[in-house]
Amino acid sequence: DSGVTQTPKHLITATGQRVTLRCSPRSGDLSVYWYQQSLDQGLQFLIHYYNGEERAKGNILERFSAQQFPDLHSELNLSSLELGDSALYFCASSVGQGAIGELFFGEGSRLTVL
Amino acid sequence: QKEVEQDPGPLSVPEGAIVSLNCTYSNSAFQYFMWYRQYSRKGPELLMYTYSSGNKEDGRFTAQVDKSSKYISLFIRDSQPSDSATYLCAMSANSGAGSYQLTFGKGTKLSVIP
Repeated sequence: DSGVTQTPKHLITATGQRVTLRCSPRSGDLSVYWYQQSLDQGLQFLIHYYNGEERAKGNILERFSAQQFPDLHSELNLSSLELGDSALYFCASSVGQGAIGELFFGEGSRLTVL
Repeated sequence: QKEVEQDPGPLSVPEGAIVSLNCTYSNSAFQYFMWYRQYSRKGPELLMYTYSSGNKEDGRFTAQVDKSSKYISLFIRDSQPSDSATYLCAMSANSGAGSYQLTFGKGTKLSVIP
C-alpha cells in the first residue's frame, strides 16, 4: 500500500458528461501529480501541484482541470468527455517536487466513456 | 521521435534467467533515471533510481546508465515468477519553478515462467 488513495476505482459514463476524480496523498506529502495511462500512449503527465499551487502542466487538455485543496487532497475534473478519454488516471504524491522520482502512486481510477 | 523509447515486449523468460530491459532517450536535459515496476491493476512503484552514468546494484537488480549513448538498462538476475510485471523506465528534468517532471517509457511487460 503506497498510502495514496484514489476514488472512485472504476467509473463508467457517457460522452459529453463530466466526472471528478479524487486523490488523497500520503501523509506529509506536499506534491500531487496526475497521470493518464492508456495502452497506446503509456503514462502521460497531466499536471503537478505543490502545496496548493500549480507547478507544471503537461499534456492536459483544456477540457480537464485540477486543483489541490488546503488539506492537500486533489481533484481532477474531466468535462465534455470523449471516447478517447477512456483510460487509467493515476495520482501520485511526493514530499518534495519529485527531483529523484520518488513518486508514490495510487491504484488509479479506471474511466470508461461509452 | 518520442523523448523516451522502450520496447513494449512482451518478454517471456524461464525462471532463473537474466533479464535485460532497455530504454533510449533523446533529451539531454534528463538528470535522474528511474525504473518503476507495475503489477497488474496496481500503480507503478519505484524500483531504483540513479543520477550518474554507471551501474547501481540492489539485490538481484542492476540499473545501468550511459549518458553518452542516452541509453539506460535494468538487469534482473535469477528472475522469479514474482518479477512478472510491467517495467517502466522514467527520467526527470527540471521543468522550471523547482519542479521535476517524470517522462515515462511505455513499459515492457515481463513474464517469468516457472
